[in-house]
Amino acid sequence: DAGITQSPRHKVTETGTPVTLRCHQTENHRYMYWYRQDPGHGLRLIHYSYGVKDTDKGEVSDGYSVSRSKTEDFLLTLESATSSQTSVYFCAISAGQLAGANVLTFGAGSRLTVL
Amino acid sequence: LAKTTQPISMDSYEGQEVNITCSHNNIATNDYITWYQQFPSQGPRFIIQGYKTKVTNEVASLFIPADRKSSTLSLPRVSLSDTAVYYCLVGVPRSSSASKIIFGSGTRLSIRP
Repeated sequence: DAGITQSPRHKVTETGTPVTLRCHQTENHRYMYWYRQDPGHGLRLIHYSYGVKDTDKGEVSDGYSVSRSKTEDFLLTLESATSSQTSVYFCAISAGQLAGANVLTFGAGSRLTVL
Repeated sequence: LAKTTQPISMDSYEGQEVNITCSHNNIATNDYITWYQQFPSQGPRFIIQGYKTKVTNEVASLFIPADRKSSTLSLPRVSLSDTAVYYCLVGVPRSSSASKIIFGSGTRLSIRP
C-alpha cells in the first residue's frame, strides 16, 4: 500500500538464524504494529509501537523483539528463528486519533519460511 | 477494545445482498465500529467505520442500532470478487500505551456463481 513498505517480501532461512523484518512508512503516523498470520487463521498481534522508542507486547510476543529508533521505521527481529515462526508477517500503521485509531493501513506482508 | 463475535463463515451467490452481523455487548460510549476486508495473500483493508445509525460508502453500508450492541455490514449485490474474510473491530484505545488493536477470527465469506 502507498505509504507503507515491508522488506524483505519473501525470506527463507534456517532454524537458529537471526532474522529482521523492516517496516517503513512515509505517513508520519505515530502508531505501528506487527502481526503474524498463519494459514487459515486470523491476525495475531506480536508487538506494537506508540512512538519512537515506545513499544509494547501484543498477544504472541515470545521469540520476537522490536525496535523503533525513528518514526518511519519499525523493525521486527527473530533472535533465533524456529519453524513455528514460519508465517506471513504484516505491518500496519495508524494515525491513532480517536476514531482514526482503529483505521489501520497494512503493508503487503513478508512471507517467512524457517526450515 | 471490546470483545466481538461474528459468524465464522457465510455463503452467498452473485447478485445477492449479504449482511454480516457483529455482536459487541461491551461496547463503550466512545467506541467506534470498524470493518476490514482481507483477500488471500493480502493485508486487511479498511472498508467502513461508524458510530451510530447508518453509514454508507461506495463499498458497503454499516447499520448500527440504537443500543449499539451489534452492527451489520451490508454488501449490496455481491460478486465473486467479494469473497474474502471480513473483520469487525470495536473500540478506541484509551491511551497511547494501551493502543493494542487485536483482531478477532473474522467471517469468511464465500460467493458462488
